Amino acid sequence: GAVVSQHPSRVICKSGTSVKIECRSLDFQATTMFWYRQFPKKSLMLMATSNEGSKATYEQGVEKDKFLINHASLTLSTLTVTSAHPEDSSFYICSARARASLSLGNTIYFGEGSWLTVV
Amino acid sequence: TQLLEQSPQFLSIQEGENLTVYCNSSSVFSSLQWYRQEPGEGPVLLVTVVTGGEVKKLKRLTFQFGDARKDSSLHITAAQPGDTGLYLCAGFKGYNQFYFGTGTSLTVIP
Repeated sequence: GAVVSQHPSRVICKSGTSVKIECRSLDFQATTMFWYRQFPKKSLMLMATSNEGSKATYEQGVEKDKFLINHASLTLSTLTVTSAHPEDSSFYICSARARASLSLGNTIYFGEGSWLTVV
Repeated sequence: TQLLEQSPQFLSIQEGENLTVYCNSSSVFSSLQWYRQEPGEGPVLLVTVVTGGEVKKLKRLTFQFGDARKDSSLHITAAQPGDTGLYLCAGFKGYNQFYFGTGTSLTVIP
């Protein structure tokens, strides 16, 4: 089946530094990728939606300059948390929607998530 | 205000009991999906409901899509400790925005 790989799974960074999280669709082309943020025992909050080759669409309240999203190819999207602060510590999950096909349909596939801790 | 509101937010029950989780919205959805998520992992798709009034069964889980396609429910019969997890409904708003419900954290006590 389709697989979405997210890396790193865990990262600790110092306050003020930037950290990049990658989201790759391993065996399919992802026309759209979604980035979510999740707090413990809470739901996934959509941060932004990105389409390959175009600028990401951010949800209201999400700082574009802080959470940089790049969708450079049909198999890779990256989320860069710039000038990270402890309040940015969270679980970040990406997902990818496959290009509609007979085998994959229009399904959303999720990465394993990335724990970010800012100290 | 969230697009998809779930209730209850937290649920703790004894093994063997039945439970229902609700997912409500003021918007119409072309389809809704239900996921289950373990801590520190990505959500796992349980079912997709597409047709208003549709009922789908997955072993002890029964999913229903409201006639107006604005709400859905998940019913678990004879809950087991292995059912413990975060249950999430989700759906597309328009073509490109995929939103999750507020979530229901279920704990089944042996």
